[in-house]
Amino acid sequence: RKEVEQDPGPFNVPEGATVAFNCTYSNSASQSFFWYRQDCRKEPKLLMSVYSSGNEDGRFTAQLNRASQYISLLIRDSKLSDSATYLCVVNSPGGGSYIPTFGRGTSLIVHP
Amino acid sequence: DTGVSQDPRHKITKRGQNVTFRCDPISEHNRLYWYRQTLGQGPEFLTYFQNEAQLEKSRLLSDRFSAERPKGSFSTLEIQRTEQGDSAMYLCATPGVGSTDTQYFGPGTRLTVL
Repeated sequence: RKEVEQDPGPFNVPEGATVAFNCTYSNSASQSFFWYRQDCRKEPKLLMSVYSSGNEDGRFTAQLNRASQYISLLIRDSKLSDSATYLCVVNSPGGGSYIPTFGRGTSLIVHP
Repeated sequence: DTGVSQDPRHKITKRGQNVTFRCDPISEHNRLYWYRQTLGQGPEFLTYFQNEAQLEKSRLLSDRFSAERPKGSFSTLEIQRTEQGDSAMYLCATPGVGSTDTQYFGPGTRLTVL
């Protein structure tokens, strides 16, 4: 079983739609959680951190469920520019420190 | 601009050749990470440095791979006797300001081994 699992998609949605992605992680000792966005042939960029209490940034809402070991990302009112791959990242213990482990990413395509 | 530059941006080499990539953070961060990303996958952790010290190495980092950060600023990643399976994007990252948990990536070096 992979440490961090995501449905690769693609999720194909019309503009204005609400779409949600989940990500599960296997290491219960994982400490911090993030969503990154990656455009085609570009480097990943931090989208938002994920907190236990849930957090919102504009149209984006992230939530963490430690008991079930998953994190989620909700995008409301999708824009064409939201088309990208969304990577879930979990900082898990490895050796003497916490190591970022990335999921394979979920592809989102927003169409007119 | 994340403040991380990588050189070269693209490298095409023949199998068996050695290649070296460089990562330069604009401002000095204590930590510096290397990742490898192949098509359809997320970045895979290779190694990280705390200043000059290489603190963690992934099992992905075979003995053909070596990384250095001699003065705690820039870092190099060398691959010896390249294989076709080494073809990937090699990404360097440093933490965000005031955070050790987030990752800010450079543009990457795309390696193609023929």
